[in-house]
Amino acid sequence: QVQLQESGPGLVKPSGTLSLTCTVSGGSISNYYWSWIRQPPGKGLEWIGYVYYSGSTKYNSSLKSRLTISVDTSKNQFSLKLSSVTAADTAVYYCARHTDTTYDFDYWGQGTLVTVSS
Amino acid sequence: QSALTQPASVSGSPGQSITISCTGTSSDVGSYNLVSWYQRHPGKAPKLMINEVKKRPSGISNRFSGSKSGNTASLTISGLQAEDEADYYCCSYAGSSTWVFGGGTKLTVL
Repeated sequence: QVQLQESGPGLVKPSGTLSLTCTVSGGSISNYYWSWIRQPPGKGLEWIGYVYYSGSTKYNSSLKSRLTISVDTSKNQFSLKLSSVTAADTAVYYCARHTDTTYDFDYWGQGTLVTVSS
Repeated sequence: QSALTQPASVSGSPGQSITISCTGTSSDVGSYNLVSWYQRHPGKAPKLMINEVKKRPSGISNRFSGSKSGNTASLTISGLQAEDEADYYCCSYAGSSTWVFGGGTKLTVL
């Protein structure tokens, strides 16, 4: 059974960089797409972007200028870096897997709350 | 990309059926048969319940069904059970390798 687990600081200062890692266990990171999705308090889910195991990426246009998603196949991990954060970036951040056949997210992490505050 | 529109809450009694709507645009829901639905219990990882508008992944109860008409997709849960109480989110492929989600619907089983 594939499992995903997010990790990283729960508190980031305004104007700083939010960094999270998702560790994939129970399966290989190869041959799949890996996304980050977030949910601000009281709001719906927002797709952030994805990285393919080969390293190619696609980002939500609203975050593209501040966003970097990368993959480390040797560690079965992928990561998110969001720069110049503000309070609006406070959210529960999820990592998830999707395929290019059904275009859905079939495995998710439990999510991690990141608060942007001084 | 604008979020898909879902009702904030729905409720039903055990054994009843409920339907959750998900309204998008001709650029997402209306253009692709790639709508998926997710169930999320508090503190748990979201779970894929329906994909490609109406397909159930392995292990998902046939009490869950999906449909689409125009720019609106729907999730129907029949024979409501207490364990169905959760938040539900719709998601649509929006072209150019992007996705858009709904705001979520809280289902209460009375």
